[in-house]
Amino acid sequence: GQQLNQSPQSMFIQEGEDVSMNCTSSSIFNTWLWYKQEPGEGPVLLIALYKAGELTSNGRLTAQFGITRKDSFLNISASIPSDVGIYFCAGTSSGTYKYIFGTGTRLKVLA
Amino acid sequence: EAQVTQNPRYLITVTGKKLTVTCSQNMNHEYMSWYRQDPGLGLRQIYYSMNVEVTDKGDVPEGYKVSRKEKRNFPLILESPSPNQTSLYFCASSRAGGNNQPQHFGDGTRLSIL
Repeated sequence: GQQLNQSPQSMFIQEGEDVSMNCTSSSIFNTWLWYKQEPGEGPVLLIALYKAGELTSNGRLTAQFGITRKDSFLNISASIPSDVGIYFCAGTSSGTYKYIFGTGTRLKVLA
Repeated sequence: EAQVTQNPRYLITVTGKKLTVTCSQNMNHEYMSWYRQDPGLGLRQIYYSMNVEVTDKGDVPEGYKVSRKEKRNFPLILESPSPNQTSLYFCASSRAGGNNQPQHFGDGTRLSIL
């Protein structure tokens, strides 16, 4: 089945650093979603993007829907220890009700 | 409290023994979905349901069945489980399917098939 290419696979950063991760697809998406998953829990929605070029923030998180509609990035500024987790991108393409998820970026923050 | 509830949270069973994982949501959502999560593969959609009595295959439906007799419930059925179905399973729901309805996830069910 279709999957999104998400990178990097994992990141170890120092507290206070900024983080950037991205997702790319071979097909056009109508929606991009970013989720965070903590151990023992299901993914929780962070940001939803609905239009090409859209830039949306949620606190220290900023995400953008790429102009080509085939990519998206998520930035986390001034990371803190509770940012630790796995971040997933997800999307839906036109004419389908299927959701496609990326393979995840595992983030570890060193205090 | 708005939530998606899965049961059981953990299950160890043997090959061929039919099992059902239940999923219930209390948000009157139309769209419900099942995913499996495996290391390095992210979440892959198994089946989804647009509404009562409407279900469709996701990317990895083989070996699974679902039913949607009521709006709030969407059970996942493994008629004859095999070891390659050992995985972490998530149920999710949203107000409606499609482009602008983010999903709410349950806390997951970890299945081990021996």
